[in-house]
Formats: sequence, C-alpha cells, structure tokens
Amino acid sequence: SQQGEEDPQALSIQEGENATMNCSYKTSINNLQWYRQNSGRGLVHLILIRSNEREKHSGRLRVTLDTSKKSSSLLITASRAADTASYFCATAVTGGGNKLTFGTGTQLKVEL
Amino acid sequence: GAVVSQHPSWVICKSGTSVKIECRSLDFQATTMFWYRQFPKQSLMLMATSNEGSKATYEQGVEKDKFLINHASLTLSTLTVTSAHPEDSSFYICSARDAERETGDTQYFGPGTRLTVL
Repeated sequence: SQQGEEDPQALSIQEGENATMNCSYKTSINNLQWYRQNSGRGLVHLILIRSNEREKHSGRLRVTLDTSKKSSSLLITASRAADTASYFCATAVTGGGNKLTFGTGTQLKVEL
Repeated sequence: GAVVSQHPSWVICKSGTSVKIECRSLDFQATTMFWYRQFPKQSLMLMATSNEGSKATYEQGVEKDKFLINHASLTLSTLTVTSAHPEDSSFYICSARDAERETGDTQYFGPGTRLTVL
C-alpha cells in the first residue's frame, strides 16, 4: 500500500508562479525525500529532509516537514516551463532498512 | 557523480520469453540496489531489495521465481523477468544506494527500462 498520499494530483500554473505540493504519510520515518520524474524517464533526486529537521532549502526548492502531522510540503518558487514533471515524495520508514515508499505523485504543468 | 545506468532502455519481447535488465552504478559501489516497477501514470512500487553477495529480499506479492534478481558485484544487479506475459509490461526502474557517501540515505535512480510483452 502507498505510504504517501500527495495532493494535488495535478497542478497547472503559469511560469513565474510558485507551486506547492503536499505529502502525507502514515508511519514513523527516518527521512523523507522528494524526486522529480520527467515523462518516461528515471527519477531525479531533489532533496532529502531528516526526521529531526523542519525545513530545508535548495535553490528554488523549499521543503518542510511536520512529523507531528506526518506531512511534508515541496515549494518551487518562480517556476519555469522546464519544471513541468511529476513530483514524488518518498519516505524511509523507521526500521525499514533504507527502503523507500513512494507517494502517489503530483503532475505539475508550468505553462508559458 | 552518482550515476546509475540501465540496459536496455526498452525491450519488446514475445510472450513466454525471458528478459534480463541490467542496472549498473557507474562511479560508486552499491552494496544495495532496489528494483521498482511503475505502471503508466502511477507511482513506483518496490519489488525487491538486491544485496551484493546474498539473496534478494522481495516485497509481499512479488514472485521471486518470476522476477529473478542477481547482485553479483558491487556495481551490477540484474533483474530477469522469466516467462514474460503481457501483464508484465511495465516500466522497470532500479536505484542504488551509495553507502560510503555522506548522503548515504539517498538513492540514485537509473533511467528505467520499458518492457513490452506481446
């Protein structure tokens, strides 16, 4: 079963706008990771946030983690057409031996 | 750094044949590799964890005799889909974990292999 549920399932915005995606999970985690997947391609690792961290930044990306609510958000600021892709959160469950469980994904479309 | 390759990138085969997919870590050693499958417009589902020098650990519901995994070296894991059927058609993706890096929890993904069984 899916550990992570993401919303929205699909998001369409204009270039320059910010995009926010949310991920909820069910069990205790060691870390949560966000990945991007372009259509028909492999996954690109974006950012990892550990369970003892609350916020992390990488370029135009900002990730937050609220372990009390078992949720995370990914914010992409000043979006570009090249950001069009599917975004997945993945959780490394405590005691799970580094296995990742992926969320359902958000399809982001950034229009010119 | 941290590049993972897969071969082939796509394969079409007849029902009943076996198909081998290779996953290689090109610039690091991977004691652990993971195999996932992904159906169109869906998320990745973990199939098995491949450990170098030992038997793979399969997720519940994944037939180990159907999906043979071999991790013979620190840079290569193979997935063989035996007696493939149309329902095995999917996108297969591997990932590798570089335990020596500071970011040892990060998994690096291959580009995927699209399998179509006729």
